[in-house]
Amino acid sequence: KQEVTQIPAALSVPEGENLVLNCSFTDSAIYNLQWFRQDPGKGLTSLLLIQSSQREQTSGRLNASLDKSSGRSTLYIAASQPGDSATYLCAVTGGSQGNLIFGKGTKLSVKP
Amino acid sequence: DVKVTQSSRYLVKRTGEKVFLECVQDMDHENMFWYRQDPGLGLRLIYFSYDVKMKEKGDIPEGYSVSREKKERFSLILESASTNQTSMYLCASRGQGGGNYEQYFGPGTRLTVT
Repeated sequence: KQEVTQIPAALSVPEGENLVLNCSFTDSAIYNLQWFRQDPGKGLTSLLLIQSSQREQTSGRLNASLDKSSGRSTLYIAASQPGDSATYLCAVTGGSQGNLIFGKGTKLSVKP
Repeated sequence: DVKVTQSSRYLVKRTGEKVFLECVQDMDHENMFWYRQDPGLGLRLIYFSYDVKMKEKGDIPEGYSVSREKKERFSLILESASTNQTSMYLCASRGQGGGNYEQYFGPGTRLTVT
């Protein structure tokens, strides 16, 4: 059964710092991996989708990488800002039904 | 612009009531999903639908049912609400075929059962 783990569970950094969030998964047979952002009490906003054949995707200050063979993905945030404070969720699509399996998230706090 | 909407942001119901949560998407997506999100447990899939009138159980279907009469609308039904169904409920939709697997979420419904 696919399991997704995100480390650390919480992270606090000063504004301007570059940071990396980690995601690992146990079964490399995935269709894709998706990173989401969730603000308190709100729904999920899709940040980046990496297809299984891709190694990375970039959007603005965000860069996500995927290493299927080792079961790992990282989300790199450059020059962090207080507005980046949120919970970041990683999810993989796989299995016979192609459903998303989520990690429990990393809660990021960027201090001014 | 992609849009998934949910009928209520906040809902308070009494134990034993029948509760309907509605979700509408405007992207002509085939697949729709209902999740619940609880602290420490993360997001768990309740039910999903890959076509009109089709449904599949997710990881935690007990106490819930769903209805999909039209492609754009997917309803979650709590037949007899209980306090352990107090949670954040999130609806999502996704297209089908090729690499079109990005999943889009609604704003969520915070349900409290007293």
